[in-house]
Amino acid sequence: GIQVEQSPPDLILQEGANSTLRCNFSDSVNNLQWFHQNPWGQLINLFYIPSGTKQNGRLSATTVATERYSLLYISSSQTTDSGVYFCAVYPGGGADGLTFGKGTHLIIQP
Amino acid sequence: KAGVTQTPRYLIKTRGQQVTLSCSPISGHRSVSWYQQTPGQGLQFLFEYFSETQRNKGNFPGRFSGRQFSNSRSEMNVSTLELGDSALYLCASSLDRGENTEAFFGQGTRLTVV
Repeated sequence: GIQVEQSPPDLILQEGANSTLRCNFSDSVNNLQWFHQNPWGQLINLFYIPSGTKQNGRLSATTVATERYSLLYISSSQTTDSGVYFCAVYPGGGADGLTFGKGTHLIIQP
Repeated sequence: KAGVTQTPRYLIKTRGQQVTLSCSPISGHRSVSWYQQTPGQGLQFLFEYFSETQRNKGNFPGRFSGRQFSNSRSEMNVSTLELGDSALYLCASSLDRGENTEAFFGQGTRLTVV
C-alpha cells in the first residue's frame, strides 16, 4: 500500500516562530488532508488540498501532487498550536480509506 | 450544522466481551468510515460504508464488523475483545465516497479492554 512519511517527527519552538511540516507520499493520491489532533483526541480539519496552495489565517498548505509531497506552514506560532499534526491521503484507485502518516508532534513554548 | 457524533465517548470492557460503537454523520453525508488509533500502530483504516454498503475494508480480523443504516448512521462491532483492541476509535463522515470529498471526524470513542 501507499506509504506516507511526515517530518520532522518532533518539533519544539518558541512562541512567535514559524515552522514547516512536510508530508511525502509514495504513490498518486486522490485527495490529501491535514489535521490537528487536539488533546482530547479529535482530529480537527486544517486543509483539504489534493493539489495547489491554500491559506487560512496563520496557516497555509501546498501540495505538489506530481512530486508527491505536501507542506504545512505555520506562522507566528502560538501555544495553542501545540499538538500532533497529521497528513492523510486517499490513494489513487479508491481503496483502503485514508492512509495517515505518523504525525509531527509540535510543542510551542511561551 | 451538527458535527459527527460518536457514542459512547468512553467505554471499559472485559476481555472476551463484545462492544458496539455508534456514529452519526453530518446531516446529508452518505459516507462513514471508521479508524483505530493506537500508540503503536497509529491511525489505521477499518472500513468505509456508503449508501448502506461496505466499500472498503482495512486489514483487520473478522471480529471487527460494521453496518450502515438508511439514515447513514453507522455502528461498528468488535466481538471477543482482546487487550490489544484498547484504542481510540474514530469515525469520519463525508458527503460522497471517501476518495472524492473531505472527511470530518468525530470526537472518538476511547475503548479500554481489561
